Amino acid sequence: QVTLKESGPVLVKPTETLTLTCTVSGFSLSNARMGVSWIRQPPGKALEWLAHIFSNDEKSYSTSLKSRLTISKDTSKSQVVLTMTNMDPVDTATYYCARIAVDIVAGIRYYYGMDVWGQGTTVTVSS
Amino acid sequence: SYVLTQPPSVSVAPGKTARITCGGNNIGSKSVHWYQQKPGQAPVLVIYYDSDRPSGIPERFSGSNSGNTATLTISRVEAGDEADYYCQVWDSSSDYWVFGGGTKLTVL
Repeated sequence: QVTLKESGPVLVKPTETLTLTCTVSGFSLSNARMGVSWIRQPPGKALEWLAHIFSNDEKSYSTSLKSRLTISKDTSKSQVVLTMTNMDPVDTATYYCARIAVDIVAGIRYYYGMDVWGQGTTVTVSS
Repeated sequence: SYVLTQPPSVSVAPGKTARITCGGNNIGSKSVHWYQQKPGQAPVLVIYYDSDRPSGIPERFSGSNSGNTATLTISRVEAGDEADYYCQVWDSSSDYWVFGGGTKLTVL
């Protein structure tokens, strides 16, 4: 059974750095056909993609948040970590991690969407 | 940046067909994925690669994609289908994922 579980602080202060961990099970972060993404959702608002990482350490970031985000992985621990600097109240949201399923044909990656999601972790930014 | 446009809300009577659109510039050239999100729950992938269903998703859910519009179609709508639905694409020209603004499906 594939599962992902987010963990991190419930409350952070403005200007602080947020560190979130996604612990996965049922698949390996060394699998070239799978990646892990972070997505957030402010209360009552739409989903917003943040970043993703693949087995070869290839990373991509949201254009608008790129300067504040860092994604990394520890394959041996089955964990993907997201850090976001300079937190602001507008960053208050539920943060999800999700597995990205891909296929690789002739060296080209085809994305099949985010097929398994964690339950999400709620982060509030307030002094 | 690439933008996906969804209607904020769609209403449908039980047993009828709901169609939720997702507009984007030449979206037909991209692969569209659809997610269902019920209140207080994480999103669930219901359609990937325009029209494929993950295992466990009812055949009532189908998708299409052409030109500037992708469509999620839910046949024989049930009360349990009431949820927010999001479309998504991978924008390979900019290397990032894009979500639509979401559509709230109300079952009358």
